Amino acid sequence: QKEVEQNSGPLSVPEGAIASLNCTYSDRGSQSFFWYRQYSGKSPELIMSIYSNGDKEDGRFTAQLNKASQYVSLLIRDSQPSDSATYLCAVGSSNTGKLIFGQGTTLQVKP
Amino acid sequence: EAQVTQNPRYLITVTGKKLTVTCSQNMNHEYMSWYRQDPGLGLRQIYYSMNVEVTDKGDVPEGYKVSRKEKRNFPLILESPSPNQTSLYFCASSLTGPATNEKLFFGSGTQLSVL
Repeated sequence: QKEVEQNSGPLSVPEGAIASLNCTYSDRGSQSFFWYRQYSGKSPELIMSIYSNGDKEDGRFTAQLNKASQYVSLLIRDSQPSDSATYLCAVGSSNTGKLIFGQGTTLQVKP
Repeated sequence: EAQVTQNPRYLITVTGKKLTVTCSQNMNHEYMSWYRQDPGLGLRQIYYSMNVEVTDKGDVPEGYKVSRKEKRNFPLILESPSPNQTSLYFCASSLTGPATNEKLFFGSGTQLSVL
């Protein structure tokens, strides 16, 4: 079992729709959770971080964390073609400096 | 400008020829890390450093070395590169590390090809 798992996609949604990206992790001791966006040929950039159960909203983005189910998700409301990218889930250990990334989900937003 | 600087951006080399990829940050960050990115595998952590003179293995350290003699620099060394180390490499840094939910700043990446 991979430490951090994502569906590689591609996930295709029409412009204006809600895109839902999911991630599961195996280490119950994980304390910090991140969503990064990566455009083709570019470096990853942080969208959101979350560390407590529940929802965290920032503009069109909402991160959801459920530690009991070892599940973290990212919702993108009113999806735009500019949101088309690969979304990387990352999970941090509380005891080490390890930050483990999932393989990423490719999102395609069609006009 | 706050940034992580990697060099070179592109590198083509031959099997067995030692090489170093440099990484420098100007944000006084304690935490630095190296990742490699391969299609379908995402970002895999090679080594990380919580502070000067402190380095630890990530998930794929075989064939790589690092050093952290100064806070700002964290070079990645391939003593004897092999074709399976052909990959896109990213250096990254943050103030104290991933456990505190801090943003990781990434360099622009180094595309390495080992022939």
